[in-house]
Amino acid sequence: EVELVESGGRLAQPGGSLRLSCAASGFNFESYGMNWVRQAPGKGLEWISYISNTERSRHYADSVKGRFTISRDSAKNSLYLEMTSLRVEDTAIYYCAREETWSGTGDYWGQGTLVTVSS
Amino acid sequence: DIQMTQSPSAMSASVGDRVTITCRASQGISNYLAWFQQKPGKVPKRLIYASSTLQTGVPSRFSGSGSGTEFTLTISSLQPEDFATYYCLQHYNYPRTFGQGTKVEMK
Repeated sequence: EVELVESGGRLAQPGGSLRLSCAASGFNFESYGMNWVRQAPGKGLEWISYISNTERSRHYADSVKGRFTISRDSAKNSLYLEMTSLRVEDTAIYYCAREETWSGTGDYWGQGTLVTVSS
Repeated sequence: DIQMTQSPSAMSASVGDRVTITCRASQGISNYLAWFQQKPGKVPKRLIYASSTLQTGVPSRFSGSGSGTEFTLTISSLQPEDFATYYCLQHYNYPRTFGQGTKVEMK
């Protein structure tokens, strides 16, 4: 059974840093691209980043470009999101979501991890 | 970036109603369009991908259509468990972009 489990969300200060993790199981992790999607409280879904299975391709939303870095470790079946220069508006639930080559984004999602940026 | 515009933003409907939600892309995206359902406090669930392909396990009352810039999600007979917020997503290119969501509420 495919499972994605995020962790690392917590309260952080504006200007601070945080690292989110997504542990994958139940599928051949190294064969799939992965995404991060976030949802601010009471708001809609916002795609923020993608990494290909080979790590050769990475993409970011303008809202996080230059501040967030996506990475993965196939040996650990894990996806990461390094978040720096955090802003109040980065407060959201962060989901990892699988990318399937032939069907696209989001066939499986994690349960999400909450990041709160506040002083 | 491709902008995705959903309409309506919210709607009231009754059990048994036929519900139609529209998503418009700011440029052509072929059929690279997915629909997601999200209930309060829950993880988004993909209903449809490639504009019209039903995700395994999704009831057949859900259907999708469209190509290019105009897409539609239809619920043929609304059930109590269908009251939720629905999002479209283009997976034609990066950055991926979601529509703003359509909240389907009970009339």
